[in-house]
Amino acid sequence: KAGVTQTPRYLIKTRGQQVTLSCSPISGHRSVSWYQQTPGQGLQFLFEYFSETQRNKGNFPGRFSGRQFSNSRSEMNVSTLELGDSALYLCASSLQGAAYEQYFGPGTRLTVT
Amino acid sequence: GENVEQHPSTLSVQEGDSAVIKCTYSDSASNYFPWYKQELGKRPQLIIDIRSNVGEKKDQRIAVTLNKTAKHFSLHITETQPEDSAVYFCAATYNQGGKLIFGQGTELSVKP
Repeated sequence: KAGVTQTPRYLIKTRGQQVTLSCSPISGHRSVSWYQQTPGQGLQFLFEYFSETQRNKGNFPGRFSGRQFSNSRSEMNVSTLELGDSALYLCASSLQGAAYEQYFGPGTRLTVT
Repeated sequence: GENVEQHPSTLSVQEGDSAVIKCTYSDSASNYFPWYKQELGKRPQLIIDIRSNVGEKKDQRIAVTLNKTAKHFSLHITETQPEDSAVYFCAATYNQGGKLIFGQGTELSVKP
C-alpha cells in the first residue's frame, strides 16, 4: 500500500508569513502526528490528530496549529514565521496513535529567510 | 518533564564489532519504546520496538532490552556493517501513551 506522503517537499518563506503543510497518511490509519526536526533539537513532538480531533499537543507556541479532515489527511499551519522555524517537518501515521507503529513521511523542508 | 536522554551522541565502530546505544526515560507509565533509523536525507524508519511487558526482543542482528525499574532501554547491534551507518533515535510514550518523545539521536559510523 502507498506510504505517507507530504506536500510540498520544500518551501522558502519570509519572516512574518504563514505556511500550510499537508500530510496524507497510509490508507486506514486514523492517527497523524507532526514533528519538527532540527540539528540541535532532534525530533520534537508538535501534536497528534485522531479522527479529526487533536488528542495531544507538544510544547510549541500557538503559532503552530493543525487540523485533520474526515479522510484522515492532516494539515499543519505556522503563522507569523520566525527564522527559528526553519526545520524539517515530518508527519507520521499510525493505526491508533503514538503507542503503535508509526510510519513517517519524507518531510517538508521549510526555510525561513 | 517529558524527556528521553540518549547516549552516546556519536559512536564509531569497526565493521564486525557490536554497537550499544542507551536511553533513559522519566515516566513510569511509559509502555512503548521504539527505535528508529534515519539515513542521511531519508525519513526515520522503525527498526525494532518493545513494550513494557517484555524485557528483551531480538530481530536478527538487532536487539533491544528494557529495564523498567531503572527506566532505561538499550539498542544492541551485533556484527555491524557499513550500511548500519545512520542516526538512531530512541523514543518513549508519554501522557498515557498519547505522545511519542524522542531522544536526541546517536550518529553511528561503521568503518570498513
